[in-house]
Amino acid sequence: GNSVTQMEGPVTLSEEAFLTINCTYTATGYPSLFWYVQYPGEGLQLLLKATKADDKGSNKGFEATYRKETTSFHLEKGSVQVSDSAVYFCARGAQGGSEKLVFGKGTKLTVNP
Amino acid sequence: EAQVTQNPRYLITVTGKKLTVTCSQNMNHEYMSWYRQDPGLGLRQIYYSMNVEVTDKGDVPEGYKVSRKEKRNFPLILESPSPNQTSLYFCASTSRQGGGTEYTFGSGTRLTVV
Repeated sequence: GNSVTQMEGPVTLSEEAFLTINCTYTATGYPSLFWYVQYPGEGLQLLLKATKADDKGSNKGFEATYRKETTSFHLEKGSVQVSDSAVYFCARGAQGGSEKLVFGKGTKLTVNP
Repeated sequence: EAQVTQNPRYLITVTGKKLTVTCSQNMNHEYMSWYRQDPGLGLRQIYYSMNVEVTDKGDVPEGYKVSRKEKRNFPLILESPSPNQTSLYFCASTSRQGGGTEYTFGSGTRLTVV
């Protein structure tokens, strides 16, 4: 099938804790992979992306590495802040002739001071 | 500034009253799409358009219509809204670049059907 499975939330951490949100995908071939973030009351923002195997996307202290062997794209951050509280979506990009983004169900992160 | 503009941001309507959510992009992209976001379900594609006058169903098209009369605009039409269409809607515009596909999202439209 064509799907994206990400860690179910909600996730609650203390400030400066280490964050991992797991994401695995199914696909034929090697699509681009994305992490989007949605802050409370706002729209979707692209957080980071990777376009080919072994690429590492990074932004705002977040990182994710495209692992074709494990079909994974786990999101990590070494030290979270209260301002990182948001919903995070993993997504798989276009396959074949379709430009459709396939999203995971989202993981809500709350970071407490 | 490259952007996707959706209107309105918030809308409360009654069952059966036709409504249109507008979407416009200024990047000359050919591919545009609509998604709905629901808790625990993530974002699901409603309809997409590969180019002017070319539209097709996504994963959850029931109850929706779209049109693409010109490249920049891709309105979402609910002919007879029902409460199960209460959701957060996003329009997206897509371009293919050398390094992969770029997706730009609008700010979202929160629709409540009572």
